[in-house]
Amino acid sequence: AQKITQTQPGMFVQEKEAVTLDCTYDTSDPSYGLFWYKQPSSGEMIFLIYQGSYDQQNATEGRYSLNFQKARKSANLVISASQLGDSAMYFCAMRETPRGQNFVFGPGTRLSVLP
Amino acid sequence: DAGVTQSPTHLIKTRGQQVTLRCSPKSGHDTVSWYQQALGQGPQFIFQYYEEEERQRGNFPDRFSGHQFPNYSSELNVNALLLGDSALYLCASSFRRGVSPLHFGNGTRLTVT
Repeated sequence: AQKITQTQPGMFVQEKEAVTLDCTYDTSDPSYGLFWYKQPSSGEMIFLIYQGSYDQQNATEGRYSLNFQKARKSANLVISASQLGDSAMYFCAMRETPRGQNFVFGPGTRLSVLP
Repeated sequence: DAGVTQSPTHLIKTRGQQVTLRCSPKSGHDTVSWYQQALGQGPQFIFQYYEEEERQRGNFPDRFSGHQFPNYSSELNVNALLLGDSALYLCASSFRRGVSPLHFGNGTRLTVT
């Protein structure tokens, strides 16, 4: 069963606008972590932001914020003030327990920022 | 502070051959994980090494094996290569304890012909 769903294969956003990339997840474990990664065309995977299942507040890192809705099992990434360099693949990932090291990745969303 | 380094960056092999990929973790990290990323897909977990032992394994056949050395560096070996093994192989390192994101290398692009 797919544990991470990213329903948007591709997204377009105008430069300087905000964009939301969707992620839903499936787990029965009460303790888990959610991560977002960016993968430019060069292939490297860049860690962006983390949200723990017990965190009361939504995570923020600079222009990145995570809209965490636990009851809906969603962890959407919001990028504010998009830049041309934000064009890349974005992956949502989950680690199910604090000690579990296996990250499960979604299929990704390709974001294209238009000038 | 060196990040995760992988070698080689690209590799072309023939079906049936064997390949070894290498990874040095980020300084201070003690855990190394390997992922396979087929074109257009998300990374798939192969296995993870900690204290020189395989601790967790994904749904990959025994043709995929690995090793971790005392200096925490790691190797991924794939025997009897199939065309379907063509992919980007990503090494990631992390801390075993606590909440730790994976830090990835740039990957090795393996092409099997």
